[in-house]
Order: sequence, then C-alpha cells, then structure tokens
Amino acid sequence: NAGVTQTPKFRVLKTGQSMTLLCAQDMNHEYMYWYRQDPGMGLRLIHYSVGEGTTAKGEVPDGYNVSRLKKQNFLLGLESAAPSQTSVYFCASSYWQDQPQHFGDGTRLSIL
Amino acid sequence: KQEVTQIPAALSVPEGENLVLNCSFTDSAIYNLQWFRQDPGKGLTSLLLIQSSQREQTSGRLNASLDKSSGRSTLYIAASQPGDSATYLCAVTYNTNAGKSTFGDGTTLTVKP
Repeated sequence: NAGVTQTPKFRVLKTGQSMTLLCAQDMNHEYMYWYRQDPGMGLRLIHYSVGEGTTAKGEVPDGYNVSRLKKQNFLLGLESAAPSQTSVYFCASSYWQDQPQHFGDGTRLSIL
Repeated sequence: KQEVTQIPAALSVPEGENLVLNCSFTDSAIYNLQWFRQDPGKGLTSLLLIQSSQREQTSGRLNASLDKSSGRSTLYIAASQPGDSATYLCAVTYNTNAGKSTFGDGTTLTVKP
C-alpha cells in the first residue's frame, strides 16, 4: 500500500503565482486533513474533510482553498501565493475521527 | 483556547535508559490523544492512540498513559536505542472538534550510543 502520497515534494513559487497540492490516499479513509508545519508554530490545521464532497475550515484557512471531489483525493490550492505561505505542508487521513491519522511525507513550499 | 504543551523541548539520554516524555492539555473533554514520531524531513508516524475511555496503550517498548483529570499524558520508552532519536509529538482531539487535532510542539529526543 502506498498510504498517503503528496505531490509535489518540493516547489518554489514567486509571489502571486498559484498552485495546487495533491494528496492521495488508498486506504478508503473518510477523513482527510491539510496541515502546515512552521518552526516554533507546530502543526496547524488548514482545512479538513469528513467525506467525499465535504470540506471545512481549520485553524488557519485564509489564503487557501480545498476540494474533495473524489474520496481518495484532497486538493489544496493557493490562489495568490504570499511569502507567509512558505512552509512544509502535510496531508493526513483517517478512517474515522477516533482512528489514527496517517501522514504523507510533506510538500516543502518556498515562496519568493 | 485549547492548548497542548510538551516539556521538555529537547532531551538527550545515553543508550539503554528508560525515559518519559510529557504532554499536557488544557481541556479535559478530550475524544482521544495520539502520540507520533517525526524523523527529520519526514511526515509523522502514528505510535499510539488512546481513546478517552482508556488509561494506557502499549506497543513494544512504548507505553502511553492518559490522565484526563490532570490533563496529562506520558510516553514511556523502555531501553532506549539510537534509532529512537526523533521528534515526538502528541495530538489531542477534543469532543467538539469533529476529528480535528491540536498538536504540541514536540520533544526532540537524542539517544547517544
């Protein structure tokens, strides 16, 4: 099993550019999450989904949009990238809210 | 605000020692608590998950305990090895949060040969 796969692994953007981060899981999990990890700030939840076709805001949703058109995929979009969005982005999934979360290896995003 | 605190931020021990990592949380109405391991440049790997109705969970050399009344969890690592060197994070899911977790900043453990 691949588990949780994130693409791309690395990306450098210029301020104002847009991009989409893809998260794919092959475990038939209902719940999916997008986090960002920053030094001194820990892991913070951006958006999450409790099932296909649903999305909800997390702790730091501003500047990001998400979509969950298929159960296995959770997309994170940056419409107009800003230097403050330089971070490591992690996707996670779980079968249900009382089950362990499984994480991808992260996407390292730098915005110049 | 629901907060999760991990102390110490860093810990260095010689190989073979038993050690305890601490996690404290501000709201006792938790749904579950999960311990993770993160290696440099990698994602998080789930180690143990304790439901709110449980007092502890064990996996190999790892034992996690939960005391909701005092707002504390501990991760006990027996007979530490250099391969245990990593950052350990705890994450708390609260009853009202529909599966959303609040993470501590982690404790970075170094086990010296």
